[in-house]
Amino acid sequence: NAGVTQTPKFRVLKTGQSMTLLCAQDMNHEYMYWYRQDPGMGLRLIHYSVGEGTTAKGEVPDGYNVSRLKKQNFLLGLESAAPSQTSVYFCSSGGQGSEKLFFGSGTQLSVL
Amino acid sequence: GESVGLHLPTLSVQEGDNSIINCAYSNSASDYFIWYKQESGKGPQFIIDIRSNMDKRQGQRVTVLLNKTVKHLSLQIAATQPGDSAVYFCAENLGGSNYKLTFGKGTLLTVNP
Repeated sequence: NAGVTQTPKFRVLKTGQSMTLLCAQDMNHEYMYWYRQDPGMGLRLIHYSVGEGTTAKGEVPDGYNVSRLKKQNFLLGLESAAPSQTSVYFCSSGGQGSEKLFFGSGTQLSVL
Repeated sequence: GESVGLHLPTLSVQEGDNSIINCAYSNSASDYFIWYKQESGKGPQFIIDIRSNMDKRQGQRVTVLLNKTVKHLSLQIAATQPGDSAVYFCAENLGGSNYKLTFGKGTLLTVNP
């Protein structure tokens, strides 16, 4: 039982490049979330999903897209990376009826 | 202490002392609160949670206190150990069918041996 797994752990992009961050959970959770964490800013919600095939915008969704084609996976895409998207990205999941979230170990992304 | 909206505060304690980390929340409709611990280079880990119908909840060496009158949450760590050094976040949930957590900016706890 691995919990929440994020890949990759590190990535460096050039401005304008695209990439996809993958999040996988093996806890059969309904809810999945993508957060970004910047120094002194805490965790800010980018997008989330309340079930397979559903997505919704969070606090800072601009420049990102997500997909939840399978219940266990939640993908975060950057179509055209910008330096402002340099951050640490965390995926989390939660079970239906529970507000407690379980987090992955993060992806450190640098956009040059 | 921290608040949803302030710069990252720091707390430095001696090993063996008790630590108190504070958090102010702004939404009186929030009905669930949770504390996470984040060590350097790792994701947040659940410590303890509390619902708004409670004032206090205890775990192993940790206690969370909730004061709804002044919208204040605190995390108490007994006999603080070097392994407790981390950033601590509080988060709140507005309740109902809303399962989104709003996080504070964290408090850096440093335990001196």
